[in-house]
Amino acid sequence: SAVISQKPSRDICQRGTSLTIQCQVDSQVTMMFWYRQQPGQSLTLIATANQGSEATYESGFVIDKFPISRPNLTFSTLTVSNMSPEDSSIYLCSALSPSRDRGRLGYEQYFGPGTRLTVT
Amino acid sequence: AQSVTQLGSHVSVSEGALVLLRCNYSSSVPPYLFWYVQYPNQGLQLLLKYTTGATLVKGINGFEAEFKKSETSFHLTKPSAHMSDAAEYFCAVEGGTSYGKLTFGQGTILTVHP
Repeated sequence: SAVISQKPSRDICQRGTSLTIQCQVDSQVTMMFWYRQQPGQSLTLIATANQGSEATYESGFVIDKFPISRPNLTFSTLTVSNMSPEDSSIYLCSALSPSRDRGRLGYEQYFGPGTRLTVT
Repeated sequence: AQSVTQLGSHVSVSEGALVLLRCNYSSSVPPYLFWYVQYPNQGLQLLLKYTTGATLVKGINGFEAEFKKSETSFHLTKPSAHMSDAAEYFCAVEGGTSYGKLTFGQGTILTVHP
């Protein structure tokens, strides 16, 4: 299993500023992801955080707005740049960790507790 | 591409009653299917998943789900609701080359009445 922590747990920021969210996993994982959960909506994948290379962004998300770093196999950051009220969301980090399912080696996806961001 | 539809954004049941949360998916390849639960102010917790093999999957807290390919469904059930089951439930699908990338449904908020 994997235990994921995020910092900060919540923040209130002014428009035009940037916030960096940290995600720490307690074990080495192959893949890490960042999701956004806007108020009253479901989770949407922002990007895959690749270790040692540029993140892979989903449609509608760009590196200039959401730069991501992943310097090693246990840590990643997501920056929300030049924030506007529309960026008010919960941002969640997730990671794939190996698991055994009925004797077969597979993986399981674990989620962090989320960072609740409010932009005023 | 894949998508997930959860029928009913809110479901209300009495304690001890059957819980049924509906999920339909679309996927161009054999999917992996998941149910997650989110308690207030907490992260997502995996309830159960279907990858291959037996279509009836048992999860934690007495929940189970059945993968029905012909109906493209993966409904979540629990025979007897408990007050502690009150939470938001998300169905998700992962398919094809989207290794680890989940597409989530819009979520269903379950309320349990005494």
